[in-house]
This record gives sequence, structure tokens and C-alpha cells, in this order.
Amino acid sequence: AQKITQTQPGMFVQEKEAVTLDCTYDTSDQSYGLFWYKQPSSGEMIFLIYQGSYDEQNATEGRYSLNFQKARKSANLVISASQLGDSAMYFCAMREIHDSARQLTFGSGTQLTVLP
Amino acid sequence: AAGVIQSPRHLIKEKRETATLKCYPIPRHDTVYWYQQGPGQDPQFLISFYEKMQSDKGSIPDRFSAQQFSDYHSELNMSSLELGDSALYFCASSGGGLAGPGTYEQYFGPGTRLTVT
Repeated sequence: AQKITQTQPGMFVQEKEAVTLDCTYDTSDQSYGLFWYKQPSSGEMIFLIYQGSYDEQNATEGRYSLNFQKARKSANLVISASQLGDSAMYFCAMREIHDSARQLTFGSGTQLTVLP
Repeated sequence: AAGVIQSPRHLIKEKRETATLKCYPIPRHDTVYWYQQGPGQDPQFLISFYEKMQSDKGSIPDRFSAQQFSDYHSELNMSSLELGDSALYFCASSGGGLAGPGTYEQYFGPGTRLTVT
């Protein structure tokens, strides 16, 4: 079974509007971390935001916020006031803690295109 | 701020050749991870090191090996290269060590793009 599911292969948003990128996850662990990364066409992986499973408040970093709904096992990324430079692939990832594993498991990504 | 450094950025090899990828983690980060991202794919975890010891192993082929040195830099050695090894190879580092509920972010290097012809 997929541990991280991103159901939107591609998304379009008008410049200056907000957009939500969906991410659901599957884990039996109580302790885990959720991450979002941005990958522009140049290839680098840029860390955007982190949410811990025990964090009571949704994480925010500038124009990025994470809508964390633990009971629904969803961790959607919200980008406010989209900019042309936001056009990129966005990956949701999870780190589980069982067996002291620390590596990230990624979803299949969402290609976001911001339209002028 | 210092970031993760990877070298080389691009590498072209022929089938059956060997390749060595290098990674220099962010200073004071104690954990290094290697990921492989095929064309149009999400990154797949290969192997990680904590304090110079292998800590976790993912889908790393037996033809690949890696190590972390005393200065914390890491090298991924790839032998008998195959066409399917063509991918973007990322190194990431974090400062959280073994403990913690996933609190510590992993920062990725720019990647090494390996092309096997």
C-alpha cells in the first residue's frame, strides 16, 4: 500500500491566488513527521515546511502552510498568493520512527503551474 | 548558510563502468542519506549513515556501496553501471541523530545527474 498519496498529478493556479496541494498518508506509528519539498525544473529539492505528528498547531512558513488533519491522515500544503516562481513539482514526504528508521518516503508529486 | 554539497553535478559513464559520487553534509549534521530519483519518479531511499556508521538501508543494489568518512563526507560507489542507473542522485543531511520523532528536517544537496550510455 502507498504510504504517501498525492492524487493530483498536475495543478494550475492563477498568479496571486491560493492553491492547495493534497497529501494523504498511511502509517500505524503514533510518532512521525510530514514534510513538503519543492523541486523546480533545475532539479534541486528545496525543503518547504515540516509538521510533527504531535504538533497541535498547523505549521506555517511564510506563504506556505500545512493543513494537518490527523484523524483523516491528511497533510495538505497551502500556498497563498501564488507567484510564477512557484511553478515546480511538489513532493509530500513522511518520516516514520518505527525501528529507528529516519529516511523519507515520498509521494509521487504534484506538478504545479502558475499562470500569469 | 552552508548547504549540502554534491560533486560532481553531472556525470556521464558507459555501461559496466564505475562511478563515485561525493557528498559534503551541512556542518554539524550527523546523518547523511542517499536517494535515487529516476526520470519522472519520486526519490527512493538508498542508504543512510549516522556518525559514520550505516544506519538504514533501502533499495540499494548490491553493485552500490557507500561510506561516511571521519570528516562526515560520504561517497556512493557504483559499479557495473547499467542503463537503468541513469538518475538524479541526492544526498541529504540532518542534525537529529537517532532520537526524535522526525523533528529534524532533511536538507538536500543539488543532486548529481548520472547518465549511463
